Amino acid sequence: AQTVTQSQPEMSVQEAETVTLSCTYDTSENNYYLFWYKQPPSRQMILVIRQEAYKQQNATENRFSVNFQKAAKSFSLKISDSQLGDTAMYFCAFSGAGSYQLTFGKGTKLSVIP
Amino acid sequence: EAGVAQSPRYKIIEKRQSVAFWCNPISGHATLYWYQQILGQGPKLLIQFQNNGVVDDSQLPKDRFSAERLKGVDSTLKIQPAKLEDSAVYLCASSLDPQTYEQYFGPGTRLTVT
Repeated sequence: AQTVTQSQPEMSVQEAETVTLSCTYDTSENNYYLFWYKQPPSRQMILVIRQEAYKQQNATENRFSVNFQKAAKSFSLKISDSQLGDTAMYFCAFSGAGSYQLTFGKGTKLSVIP
Repeated sequence: EAGVAQSPRYKIIEKRQSVAFWCNPISGHATLYWYQQILGQGPKLLIQFQNNGVVDDSQLPKDRFSAERLKGVDSTLKIQPAKLEDSAVYLCASSLDPQTYEQYFGPGTRLTVT
């Protein structure tokens, strides 16, 4: 079974600064997908970014980028130019290729301070 | 495009009572998921439907939980009888094509069992 570990329960960052959220995972599969989801206080989960394990290039979506280290089974999220609207719970998630199911970590609560 | 709808948003019941949650996925989305999110944890998959068939219900406590997706559109999740440990947010998600690995989440139903 796959496990996803987020070791930072809470983090804070000053507005306009950069912050990195950590995630590690454990799997015996070679092909899989990794995700970062954002859950604002209203509770609607939103996909932030996705990474295919077979792609060596790190995914980027505007201010959000990942550092994917397959050998280390590490998948961190970097948020640049943090904005107040980035305040939310962030969940790292794993999906094995063909399973179409998500296994989530426990989340990191990010607070952006004005 | 309307998002995933869920109702009710909040529900308080006493233990041993019954409760039902409703989910209306995004139009055309064939895959539907129910997750349980206990406070301080990431969502945990309860059941996955493809159209009106169950793909995976291995983590659904079948002695008290049931779910159905008649006609392959709306879905209901029922708990009977409820226990204190069922207090959680119940999230519904849908996917147009599971092979995209992208799931769209509803706002959730917060259940409190007293």
